[in-house]
Amino acid sequence: SQTIHQWPATLVQPVGSPLSLECTVEGTSNPNLYWYRQAAGRGLQLLFYSVGIGQISSEVPQNLSASRPQDRQFILSSKKLLLSDSSFYLCAWSSPTDVQETQYFGPGTRLLVL
Amino acid sequence: AQSVAQPEDQVNVAEGNPLTVKCTYSVSGNPYLFWYVQYPNRGLQFLLKYITGDNLVKGSYGFEAEFNKSQTSFHLKKPSALVSDSALYFCAVRVGGFKTIFGAGTRLFVKA
Repeated sequence: SQTIHQWPATLVQPVGSPLSLECTVEGTSNPNLYWYRQAAGRGLQLLFYSVGIGQISSEVPQNLSASRPQDRQFILSSKKLLLSDSSFYLCAWSSPTDVQETQYFGPGTRLLVL
Repeated sequence: AQSVAQPEDQVNVAEGNPLTVKCTYSVSGNPYLFWYVQYPNRGLQFLLKYITGDNLVKGSYGFEAEFNKSQTSFHLKKPSALVSDSALYFCAVRVGGFKTIFGAGTRLFVKA
């Protein structure tokens, strides 16, 4: 079966510091991968998605970036965090053979920028 | 514009009573519709999806959803609510190009 991991689970970082959040998927090959941000326990905002190694599409221009160095690894980064980056970050995957692109989510990372 | 709406910010129901969480959508073409549930400080869990065919879709944990094309709705239902069903529920619609739009969420409270 497929599983998706995110770490760290929680992170407290000072303003201006760098960020690296990691997401890995097990039990599937060539998954579509997604990064979302969820503010205040409500709606999800799609940040990035990737259909393959090195292929990243950005949905919202901001100080965040994403990379996919391996087939099942997706990394969310920032060079300098802002207070407004405090949020709950969710990674998700979908099968490349699923036409509906049903997404399965990781446990999330809660980021607090102080 | 393609969108999904959850008109209720919160739904309260007594344990053992039926529950309904509402969702309406606007999308061109045939819709792919989903329901997810989120417990506090956790990721979203997939409950069910509508593709084509039967308008009543059955999913996990006794949940089902009714697709109504004329009303562009996809309401989530359960015949008998449990206290453990209390959570945040999201309706979502795939709009193509690897993009899925999520509703703002409806918080369900089931009282014992």
